[in-house]
Amino acid sequence: AQSVTQPDIHITVSEGASLELRCNYSYGATPYLFWYVQSPGQGLQLLLKYFSGDTLVQGIKGFEAEFKRSQSSFNLRKPSVHWSDAAEYFCAVGAGNAGNMLTFGGGTRLMVKP
Amino acid sequence: EAGVAQSPRYKIIEKRQSVAFWCNPISGHATLYWYQQILGQGPKLLIQFQNNGVVDDSQLPKDRFSAERLKGVDSTLKIQPAKLEDSAVYLCASSQQGIEAFFGQGTRLTVV
Repeated sequence: AQSVTQPDIHITVSEGASLELRCNYSYGATPYLFWYVQSPGQGLQLLLKYFSGDTLVQGIKGFEAEFKRSQSSFNLRKPSVHWSDAAEYFCAVGAGNAGNMLTFGGGTRLMVKP
Repeated sequence: EAGVAQSPRYKIIEKRQSVAFWCNPISGHATLYWYQQILGQGPKLLIQFQNNGVVDDSQLPKDRFSAERLKGVDSTLKIQPAKLEDSAVYLCASSQQGIEAFFGQGTRLTVV
């Protein structure tokens, strides 16, 4: 069975600083990988996804993630964080025919200092 | 394009009572999912429908949870009877085959 680990429960960064959120997965085949963001009281919004091809994936809001098969990782990055990026971030691995049966990690809560 | 609609947004019930949640997916989306998100955790898939058929319900506690999607559009998720540990946000999502899932805002259930 697949699993996802997000080692950092909370991260605090200063506005304008760079950000990296860690994600490690366990899956027996080539994974479908996703990053979602959840603001308080809101549903989940897809930031980016990896299905195949280029291992560096660009997403919305200036986010990118890099798939590293050798490390079973899919870390999320942003070069300069904005106060509006404060939210909870979830990494997920997809199973099923279309990779859309998602197993989520426990999430990382991002706080942004002014 | 209208998003995934869920109601109610909030619900408070006593343990052993029953409760139902409703979801209207994005028009044309054949696949519908229900997730349970306990506070401080990531969402957990409860059930996946493809049109009006169940694709996977292996993590649905079938002794108390049930879900249906009779006409392949709207779906309801029911809990009967509720337990304290059912307190969570219940998220509905929908997708076209092979395309990303879009999530609703969820229903926050508190069992007291």
